[in-house]
Amino acid sequence: DTQMTQSPSTLSASVGDRVTITCRASQSIGRWVAWYQKKPGKAPNLLIYQASSSETGVPSRFNGSGSGAVFALTISSLQPDDSATYYCQQYNTYPLTFGQGTEVEIK
Amino acid sequence: QVQLQESGPGVVKPSETLSLTCSVSNVSIGSYYWSWVRQPPGKRLEWLGYIYKAETTNFNPSLKSRVTMSIDTSRNQFSLNLTSVTAADTAVYYCAGGSKSGWYADCWGQGTLVTVSS
Repeated sequence: DTQMTQSPSTLSASVGDRVTITCRASQSIGRWVAWYQKKPGKAPNLLIYQASSSETGVPSRFNGSGSGAVFALTISSLQPDDSATYYCQQYNTYPLTFGQGTEVEIK
Repeated sequence: QVQLQESGPGVVKPSETLSLTCSVSNVSIGSYYWSWVRQPPGKRLEWLGYIYKAETTNFNPSLKSRVTMSIDTSRNQFSLNLTSVTAADTAVYYCAGGSKSGWYADCWGQGTLVTVSS
């Protein structure tokens, strides 16, 4: 299975900060990565697919990048509503696998 | 907006079968890829598999032959059956849908906690 490792596991930042979450795959996976936002008690929300394509309706401050084995999700200007856990997921090979999650806290 | 809602028992006894249903609103069940994902307490999300048009399935090999999925077109629902459960199957179970493929999900249910306990 392809292992996905996110860093950091938690981060605390202020409103307006630029924050970046990194996701590393255990092997090259092209650009086959999706990113999700998950808030407690709510359904996960797809933010990014194919490494950098934004899902319809996702605020423009969320950007995905990367290829091969290293990927990033950047929030250009952190907002209070962005407090959540973020997950990467690879879909280069089955079984589909997820990162362990990054919890983003607003200071 | 596509809406998904999981339903099923919150507690299942060891060795029995876990059965969950996902009710789909605002889209035809035949037009999406339907998946199940779970998250055991303190662990990462785990993809269980997907079904498409009741004829195409793809399951996580880690579940071996314990998992089946089905679609009920008349009710616009799809279901998960997981046999011979153990405590390791305790998790929040999510149903999810992909409008383009089974590779990633662009709509999700809120999740339902299933505890395996006698």
